[in-house]
Amino acid sequence: AQRVTQPEKLLSVFKGAPVELKCNYSYSGSPELFWYVQYSRQRLQLLLRHISRESIKGFTADLNKGETSFHLKKPFAQEEDSAMYYCALVSYGNKLVFGAGTILRVKS
Amino acid sequence: KAGVTQTPRYLIKTRGQQVTLSCSPISGHRSVSWYQQTPGQGLQFLFEYFSETQRNKGNFPGRFSGRQFSNSRSEMNVSTLELGDSALYLCASSLDAMNTEAFFGQGTRLTVV
Repeated sequence: AQRVTQPEKLLSVFKGAPVELKCNYSYSGSPELFWYVQYSRQRLQLLLRHISRESIKGFTADLNKGETSFHLKKPFAQEEDSAMYYCALVSYGNKLVFGAGTILRVKS
Repeated sequence: KAGVTQTPRYLIKTRGQQVTLSCSPISGHRSVSWYQQTPGQGLQFLFEYFSETQRNKGNFPGRFSGRQFSNSRSEMNVSTLELGDSALYLCASSLDAMNTEAFFGQGTRLTVV
């Protein structure tokens, strides 16, 4: 079965510290992976997708097929990065399968 | 362009009643998906519609149903409401498939009492 695992419910870091939000997946085939973010009182929105290999707001994520991971990283956290982050993959039947989410709290 | 619009934003219903939620996708988007979000289960896929046809369905009971109209607007219906149906229901639209960017609405907060 397709599954996305985000092992941390909460990640708390100081401003300026590096951030790594972990995501592991199980999927037979070539997965399409995404990171979605939900800021306080805002709608869920796409942050980045692996196929684009882009950096958004300083965040990057590399697909590691050997480790079946798609960790989200940022070298220097900012207070405005505080939000809920969801890792997701597109599964058979064109549906998004989400992880449980990780709350990132950036302290000043 | 206008984003995904869901109405109503909040609903309170009694057990046993039924409810209909509405979603207007971004203009030009033909795929509409519905998700249930709860603290315990997270985001779970309900179903997806494309060009008025249900393309995929999640593991929810038959009390949950939906449809899509010719203008791509979609409705979701839940019959015989149970307390456990209390959740935030999110609608997402995309141009075609979900491997393109999915745009989410603000959600409808349903409370069953």
